[in-house]
Amino acid sequence: NAGVMQNPRHLVRRRGQEARLRCSPMKGHSHVYWYRQLPEEGLKFMVYLQKENIIDESGMPKERFSAEFPKEGPSILRIQQVVRGDSAAYFCASSQPGEIRNEQFFGPGTRLTVL
Amino acid sequence: QKEVEQNSGPLSVPEGAIASLNCTYSDRGSQSFFWYRQYSGKSPELIMFIYSNGDKEDGRFTAQLNKASQYVSLLIRDSQPSDSATYLCAVKGSTLGRLYFGRGTQLTVWP
Repeated sequence: NAGVMQNPRHLVRRRGQEARLRCSPMKGHSHVYWYRQLPEEGLKFMVYLQKENIIDESGMPKERFSAEFPKEGPSILRIQQVVRGDSAAYFCASSQPGEIRNEQFFGPGTRLTVL
Repeated sequence: QKEVEQNSGPLSVPEGAIASLNCTYSDRGSQSFFWYRQYSGKSPELIMFIYSNGDKEDGRFTAQLNKASQYVSLLIRDSQPSDSATYLCAVKGSTLGRLYFGRGTQLTVWP
C-alpha cells in the first residue's frame, strides 16, 4: 500500500517563475492537507482540501498561492511569481474521511529553492 | 491564536535512559494529540496519537494526556541512538482538520 506521494522532490525556480507541487494521497484517503516548513521553523498549515472542495485555506497567503484537488488526479499547490521567501519544504499529508480524530500521514515533501 | 508549545531543548540523554518530551496547548476544545518524529531532511513520521486522558503505551513509547492541564507528553524508554531526531507535538483543534504544530524538540541519544 503506497504512502503519500509527492513530486517533484526537489524544485528549483528563479524569481518570478511558477512552481507546481503535486500530491497523491494514500489509497483510501480523500482528505489532503498542505503544510510549509521554513528553515529552523515549525510546520505551518496552509490549506485543507477534499475532492473538488477547499475546506480551509486560512493558512495560505492571499496572493500568488492556490491549491486544488480535482475529481481525478493529484492535489496541486501552485505558487505564482515565486520569491526567495517561498524557499521551504512543502509537505502534503492525507487522512481518511470521517472523524475528527483521523491521523494525518505525511509525504516525503518537495524542497523548493528560489534563486 | 491557537498555540502549541514544546520544551525548547535540545535534549540530550545517554543510551538506555528515558527521554521525556513535553507539550502544552492553548485550545481547550482540542480533541486529538499526535507525536511525530522528524529526522533531519526528512518528512514527519507519526509515532503516537492519543485522544483520552491518561497514558497510552506502544512499545518503548508512552504518550500521556492531561486535558485539564492542557498538557501532553511523550516518554521514550530505553532510548537508542536511532531515536535521535526532532519530535513534533501536534494538536487537532475542535473544528475542521488542520493540525497545529509545536516548533519541535531536538533529541540526541548518545552511546
